[in-house]
Amino acid sequence: AQSVTQLGSHVSVSEGALVLLRCNYSSSVPPYLFWYVQYPNQGLQLLLKYTTGATLVKGINGFEAEFKKSETSFHLTKPSAHMSDAAEYFCAVSAPGFGNEKLTFGTGTRLTIIP
Amino acid sequence: KAGVTQTPRYLIKTRGQQVTLSCSPISGHRSVSWYQQTPGQGLQFLFEYFSETQRNKGNFPGRFSGRQFSNSRSEMNVSTLELGDSALYLCASSLSDGTDTQYFGPGTRLTVL
Repeated sequence: AQSVTQLGSHVSVSEGALVLLRCNYSSSVPPYLFWYVQYPNQGLQLLLKYTTGATLVKGINGFEAEFKKSETSFHLTKPSAHMSDAAEYFCAVSAPGFGNEKLTFGTGTRLTIIP
Repeated sequence: KAGVTQTPRYLIKTRGQQVTLSCSPISGHRSVSWYQQTPGQGLQFLFEYFSETQRNKGNFPGRFSGRQFSNSRSEMNVSTLELGDSALYLCASSLSDGTDTQYFGPGTRLTVL
């Protein structure tokens, strides 16, 4: 079974400051990990994913995340926040394998950007 | 390439009624998954269909059902609606290529009165 914990349901950062959204996972098998973003009244947009290979993953809009197996973490970062980054962010995990199309999501972190 | 589309975008129903939601996946995607999003429970997996067969199922009562057609389009049905069924229902499609990468539609906002 898989689970995801997102520390901090609300995070506020100043425009231009570092964005750090925390995600820890639990999985009985080596996981696939994802970050999605949701803007108001919209669906989820894939930011980035880790499946295998390089543990530092770069995504869209300047975001990146690093898979740390020893810490069971997959934190999302962006060096410089922009007003357009204000949204809700979800970390998700799945157990790899063909036919296992099921994502388990964290509870989300709402990111507010302070002008 | 067009994204995942869901219809309708908004629905208002009353308790006891039933509702059908529709999802058209990205062209070439054969897997369609459904999720329920509520403020209290967050994002929860309902079920997944692949080649017209339910392949994975979450922990929802039998009032929630779905199906998939030969063109990969999927429908989700909720019978005997309850107030707690008010939610954003999200559909996601994937290639089912082993990477579990799912692409989401805009969702259908269901309000049960």
